[in-house]
Amino acid sequence: AQRVTQPEKLLSVFKGAPVELKCNYSYSGSPELFWYVQYSRQRLQLLLRHISRESIKGFTADLNKGETSFHLKKPFAQEEDSAMYYCASYNFNKFYFGSGTKLNVKP
Amino acid sequence: ETGVTQTPRHLVMGMTNKKSLKCEQHLGHNAMYWYKQSAKKPLELMFVYSLEERVENNSVPSRFSPECPNSSHLFLHLHTLQPEDSALYLCASSQDLGTGELFFGEGSRLTVL
Repeated sequence: AQRVTQPEKLLSVFKGAPVELKCNYSYSGSPELFWYVQYSRQRLQLLLRHISRESIKGFTADLNKGETSFHLKKPFAQEEDSAMYYCASYNFNKFYFGSGTKLNVKP
Repeated sequence: ETGVTQTPRHLVMGMTNKKSLKCEQHLGHNAMYWYKQSAKKPLELMFVYSLEERVENNSVPSRFSPECPNSSHLFLHLHTLQPEDSALYLCASSQDLGTGELFFGEGSRLTVL
């Protein structure tokens, strides 16, 4: 079965520091990979998807098929980036979500 | 009202009660989903509807009963729940079953006493 693993439950960094949220997926076919974000008191929403190859709010994510990873990166974290981040894979009409990483950006 | 709306936002019920969660989407989407979000666990897919037909039932206990009367509305009927069913229940929609972006509601926080 498809699995998405986010090894870090909590990641704390200082403002201006680089941040990387890890995500690994179990390989099955050619999944589509996503990052979803949930800010405090807001609904879960799409941050970015690997097929669009765009940078959203300074975040990028590169699909590494060799390592089956889709890590989310930002060179300079901002306080407003503090949120829950969920990695997800989409394959065979099913979404598989990771358990999420809470990012805390300290001033 | 736009997007995906869920009611009620909070629900407390006893194990013998019958209640329902409602989801409404104003995006013109054809697929709707119920997810369960428990603390420290991945989101669990419960049900998937496409064009009002159930296409996925992810081994969910029968005390959860979904209903999709039209492509804009999705219900989750609850009956004789257990305390371990306490969780945040999220509704989502997507343009079609094969499209990858989900649009989520804010969730219904359920507490079973």
